[in-house]
Amino acid sequence: KAGVTQTPRYLIKTRGQQVTLSCSPISGHRSVSWYQQTPGQGLQFLFEYFSETQRNKGNFPGRFSGRQFSNSRSEMNVSTLELGDSALYLCASKSQTNTEAFFGQGTRLTVV
Amino acid sequence: AQSVTQPDIHITVSEGASLELRCNYSYGATPYLFWYVQSPGQGLQLLLKYFSGDTLVQGIKGFEAEFKRSQSSFNLRKPSVHWSDAAEYFCAVGPISGGGADGLTFGKGTHLIIQP
Repeated sequence: KAGVTQTPRYLIKTRGQQVTLSCSPISGHRSVSWYQQTPGQGLQFLFEYFSETQRNKGNFPGRFSGRQFSNSRSEMNVSTLELGDSALYLCASKSQTNTEAFFGQGTRLTVV
Repeated sequence: AQSVTQPDIHITVSEGASLELRCNYSYGATPYLFWYVQSPGQGLQLLLKYFSGDTLVQGIKGFEAEFKRSQSSFNLRKPSVHWSDAAEYFCAVGPISGGGADGLTFGKGTHLIIQP
């Protein structure tokens, strides 16, 4: 069974640009969550999607958005990139019957 | 609001020695508790989890953790560490609902260094 797949693994963007990250959950998992990991703030919850609906959102500005498709794949978008958005973005998927979250390897975003 | 505290930023242990990583949490109800491990450049791997029942839980790679409600703690232990255990360890707390409507709250992590 394939794990959580995040693409791309690495990205370099310029301030002011926007970026889209992709996450394919484990087959059969309908919940997808996104986290930002930085050396200063650690791991912080961005948002969670379930059956194409955002169920909860962390304390991030509106520049951070996401969506989920009918096949449970999810994308997150960051607009008007700032230097402080440089981070490892992790996606996790979860089944309805299991509270264990399975994480992908992450997308390393560098904003220059 | 929930929070997780891992008081040790770095811990150095000799190979073969025992290990205990500390975790304290603050949560309004009985939470789900997790320990994850992260190797450099990698995602998070679940070591073990506590939902209810026996307060001593066994995980993968020889790790165990003990839930102590009175101390709001969930410390991770291993009787004998191996050089491959060198990594970043994160304690996390999640909602009891299990539906995952709220995200996990993580501690800042403990960096484990293994001395030969």
